[in-house]
Amino acid sequence: EIVLTQSPGTLSLSPGERATLSCRASQSVSSSYLAWYQQKLGQAPRLLIYGASSRATGIPDRFSGSGSGTDFTLTISRLEPEDFAVYYCQQYGSSPPVTFGGGTKVEIK
Amino acid sequence: QITLKESGPTLVKPTQTLTLTCAFSGFSLSTNGMAVAWIRQPPGKALEWLAIIYWDDDKRYSPSLKSRLIVTRDTSKNQVVLTMTNMDPVDTATFYCAHLTSNATMVALDYWGQGTLVTVSS
Repeated sequence: EIVLTQSPGTLSLSPGERATLSCRASQSVSSSYLAWYQQKLGQAPRLLIYGASSRATGIPDRFSGSGSGTDFTLTISRLEPEDFAVYYCQQYGSSPPVTFGGGTKVEIK
Repeated sequence: QITLKESGPTLVKPTQTLTLTCAFSGFSLSTNGMAVAWIRQPPGKALEWLAIIYWDDDKRYSPSLKSRLIVTRDTSKNQVVLTMTNMDPVDTATFYCAHLTSNATMVALDYWGQGTLVTVSS
């Protein structure tokens, strides 16, 4: 079973700053099957990135994803007030087919 | 436009069985590449995947919860049903259903329901 470890647990930044979130897998993950989600308080998660680096429909280009193998990164180039939220990485595989990371909270410093 | 909505009891007693329904529109679960997943989230905690049912009626479950879960579909009603037995207070969570797109360019949970909070308490 693939385990996804996200770091840091909490990221304290100011609007306008750059956010770098990490997702490390216990085994190699196909880039095609790595996604990132944003979840705001009281809301359902929203797909941001799929295939490790492709933005979902309507996602601003300040969000970018990169990585391969066991190390993946979500970068928010310049934080907007609406970007303060919790972010989850997720992989799709064979057994089990879906795994989520523990999440990174991006909070206002 | 794809939409999903969860429904079911908001309160269940310990040892009872939980049955949740995911009603969806905008796609057919009989179409190749489609699937519906169930995910839960205890208050203040991370997302946890529970189960998934595919267009060909293949079903997969979380290894840690497999003995307690059953997922079924009704393609005529555009619904997916999750059953979870022997509920415990630690199972208190918001339960989400989500649409999975799986094709040559994308594999991701691209549409989510609003979620339904289920509390387990006597």
